[in-house]
Amino acid sequence: ETGVTQSPTHLIKTRGQQVTLRCSSQSGHNTVSWYQQALGQGPQFIFQYYREEENGRGNFPPRFSGLQFPNYSSELNVNALELDDSALYLCASSIPGTAAYEQYFGPGTRLTVT
Amino acid sequence: DAKTTQPPSMDCAEGRAANLPCNHSTISGNEYVYWYRQIHSQGPQYIIHGLKNNETNEMASLIITEDRKSSTLILPHATLRDTAVYYCIVRPPSGNTGKLIFGQGTTLQVKP
Repeated sequence: ETGVTQSPTHLIKTRGQQVTLRCSSQSGHNTVSWYQQALGQGPQFIFQYYREEENGRGNFPPRFSGLQFPNYSSELNVNALELDDSALYLCASSIPGTAAYEQYFGPGTRLTVT
Repeated sequence: DAKTTQPPSMDCAEGRAANLPCNHSTISGNEYVYWYRQIHSQGPQYIIHGLKNNETNEMASLIITEDRKSSTLILPHATLRDTAVYYCIVRPPSGNTGKLIFGQGTTLQVKP
């Protein structure tokens, strides 16, 4: 069974640029959630994708967008990067539909905006 | 979603039990208590969850008070590898929405 993988591991971007982060979900998991974790803080929910559609969104502006593909992998796109977007971006996959279920997190992508 | 309160940090001697408390006084009747941990430079890892009854798995035990307003995560024999930030989260059985609200968590330092 393959766990959640994310790419790239690290990247550096300049303010105003655009970035795409990628996530492959754990085998059999059809739901992907994205989180942003600033240094010293807990992860904050960005949004979730289920069956290729956004299914829940946190308090993030529209320049944060995403996609989910038929194989359940996902992308997080951030436009017009700001310095405050520097963070660890985490992807988590899960199988919804049960009363309670755990999410499996990837190792994250460390984004630095200069 | 109910809010949780955890101590910012705790120490534990290696080999001893680590007891991590969490207050969730506004928890609703259908909300579960989840525990995750995050080892430095890694993504969060699911530990355990419960609704009313105490739960135990290969990693930990979860003790939920009868009024469900607080809980304790117990690592029975802490090792150095258990040094991490531990997050207590409450959330309803939300069908397809997997939103987790993380607080600041408790930084557990296991010492030799």
